[in-house]
Amino acid sequence: KQEVTQIPAALSVPEGENLVLNCSFTDSAIYNLQWFRQDPGKGLTSLLLIQSSQREQTSGRLNASLDKSSGRSTLYIAASQPGDSATYLCAVRTDSNYQLIWGAGTKLIIKP
Amino acid sequence: DAGITQSPRHKVTETGTPVTLRCHQTENHRYMYWYRQDPGHGLRLIHYSYGVKDTDKGEVSDGYSVSRSKTEDFLLTLESATSSQTSVYFCAISESYGGNQPQHFGDGTRLSIL
Repeated sequence: KQEVTQIPAALSVPEGENLVLNCSFTDSAIYNLQWFRQDPGKGLTSLLLIQSSQREQTSGRLNASLDKSSGRSTLYIAASQPGDSATYLCAVRTDSNYQLIWGAGTKLIIKP
Repeated sequence: DAGITQSPRHKVTETGTPVTLRCHQTENHRYMYWYRQDPGHGLRLIHYSYGVKDTDKGEVSDGYSVSRSKTEDFLLTLESATSSQTSVYFCAISESYGGNQPQHFGDGTRLSIL
């Protein structure tokens, strides 16, 4: 059974720093991996989607990498800003039934 | 932003009462989903729909039923609410089920069962 883990559960860094969020999964048979952002009291917003055949995807200051063999993905945020404060979730789409399996998220706080 | 409206946004009710949550979309997407989000668990799929009157169970479907009589509306019903169903419920939509189209989410319904 696929399990997705995000560590740490919370992270606080000063504004301007580059940072990395981690996502690990137990079964490498994935179709794709997605990173989402969730603001308090709001739904989720898709940030990046990496197909299983890809190694990374970039959007602005965000870069997501995927290493299927080790069961890991990272979300790199460059030059962090207070507006980046949110909870970041990763979700793996399984190869077998296409269901999304979610991590519990990392709550990120960027201090001005 | 994708046109997804969840109602109500907040609800407090008592154990044993029926509860219906509504998800309305204006995107004409075929697929609709109901998730629940609990601390430490991430999101878990309750039910999903792949067309009008076509639904299937997700990971945590016990105690929940759904209906989809129109493309734009997907209803989640708790027939007899229990305290374990206190959660935040999210509706999502997508153009396809598998594949590389992301799901778009509503703003959620915070449900408290006392």
